[in-house]
Amino acid sequence: GQNIDQPTEMTATEGAIVQINCTYQTSGFNGLFWYQQHAGEAPTFLSYNVLDGLEEKGRFSSFLSRSKGYSYLLLKELQMKDSASYLCAVGISGSARQLTFGSGTQLTVLP
Amino acid sequence: DAGVIQSPRHEVTEMGQEVTLRCKPISGHDYLFWYRQTMMRGLELLIYFNNNVPIDDSGMPEDRFSAKMPNASFSTLKIQPSEPRDSAVYFCASSPLAGGQFYEQYFGPGTRLTVT
Repeated sequence: GQNIDQPTEMTATEGAIVQINCTYQTSGFNGLFWYQQHAGEAPTFLSYNVLDGLEEKGRFSSFLSRSKGYSYLLLKELQMKDSASYLCAVGISGSARQLTFGSGTQLTVLP
Repeated sequence: DAGVIQSPRHEVTEMGQEVTLRCKPISGHDYLFWYRQTMMRGLELLIYFNNNVPIDDSGMPEDRFSAKMPNASFSTLKIQPSEPRDSAVYFCASSPLAGGQFYEQYFGPGTRLTVT
């Protein structure tokens, strides 16, 4: 089976840096995804890691350690529009395109 | 590209009624996924198709749920009979047959279903 854990809520200040952690236990592993979901909207893709290390994409970076079953999403220079739920998802090996999603971390950015 | 299209966007129905949700994936995408999202259970995969063929329906909660994909540009998710506990946002997503391991899923806007 799969188990994905991430904090339920986080709060940060505009302009700051925030790190959202995700730990996972899976019977197989085929990549770690981060999605952003604004209230009332669909999830949208942010990042993908399949090898250990840091992937940087503008203000957002994502890190993966496969041996530790651990990932984080780093958001820099926070903006009010970054207030959203951030979903960690694991691709399951042998399941083609199937993803298992965590419950999401609701990030609130304060002025 | 119009993205993934879902209809209706909102559906309110009474318990016992049949509900049909519709999805048009992005043209050229080979994979189609149906998800359900609730506050209690988060985003759950119900079923997914590859080239119109159902691959894994282990997430379908019970026999009241059924899904079809008669062609590459259309899929339906049907609930019959509906129950209040089916109230949720239902998302459809599609994914291209990309090379390698990377396979981003593109989500539709969702259908918010309320069963009274």
